[in-house]
Amino acid sequence: DTAVSQTPKYLVTQMGNDKSIKCEQNLGHDTMYWYKQDSKKFLKIMFSYNNKELIINETVPNRFSPKSPDKAHLNLHINSLELGDSAVYFCASSQDFYNQPQHFGDGTRLSIL
Amino acid sequence: KNEVEQSPQNLTAQEGEFITINCSYSVGISALHWLQQHPGGGIVSLFMLSSGKKKHGRLIATINIQEKHSSLHITTSHPRDSAVYICAVPASYNTDKLIFGTGTRLQVFP
Repeated sequence: DTAVSQTPKYLVTQMGNDKSIKCEQNLGHDTMYWYKQDSKKFLKIMFSYNNKELIINETVPNRFSPKSPDKAHLNLHINSLELGDSAVYFCASSQDFYNQPQHFGDGTRLSIL
Repeated sequence: KNEVEQSPQNLTAQEGEFITINCSYSVGISALHWLQQHPGGGIVSLFMLSSGKKKHGRLIATINIQEKHSSLHITTSHPRDSAVYICAVPASYNTDKLIFGTGTRLQVFP
């Protein structure tokens, strides 16, 4: 059973479209994260939710909106996609918010045409 | 805000060699993470440590909190260890917002 699963694995779309990436964890963790990995493979935190509450909200354009319907899910919706949004997006989860190992999904490779 | 530096950026080795990857950070932390990113892109958490040393199979991670430095060792490297190894630390002492190093790309040849 996959612990942290993201869908889709690949997403190719045109500039200006709206798209969503879904993330689910079956580990019973309280905290979930979204990370962006750019073309230089540099990872950066975007958002973190603990028990459905937003904890970390980095300097991310407000075209990006996370949604946590329950603590097992953290989806990422992106409006009006731009070329610079092309990246790999990773979802992760941890038992709690502080000082815990994080479990990562396989990533979603987003390509904007 | 914490800054994280890893060295070397790239590393090649022959199978069986002892590997060391280094990570330095600038601000006091509660714990440091070592991650492995496979060529296929998946990321695996290898260690989270706040003091001393941890060992898992052929992997050993050490940390010196006073010197703000950690090392990841692979005692007998194998081609399947080829991956990018990433160090990550909290942005400051009382947060879990992680700051990531730029990674060390390791290639182990048979």
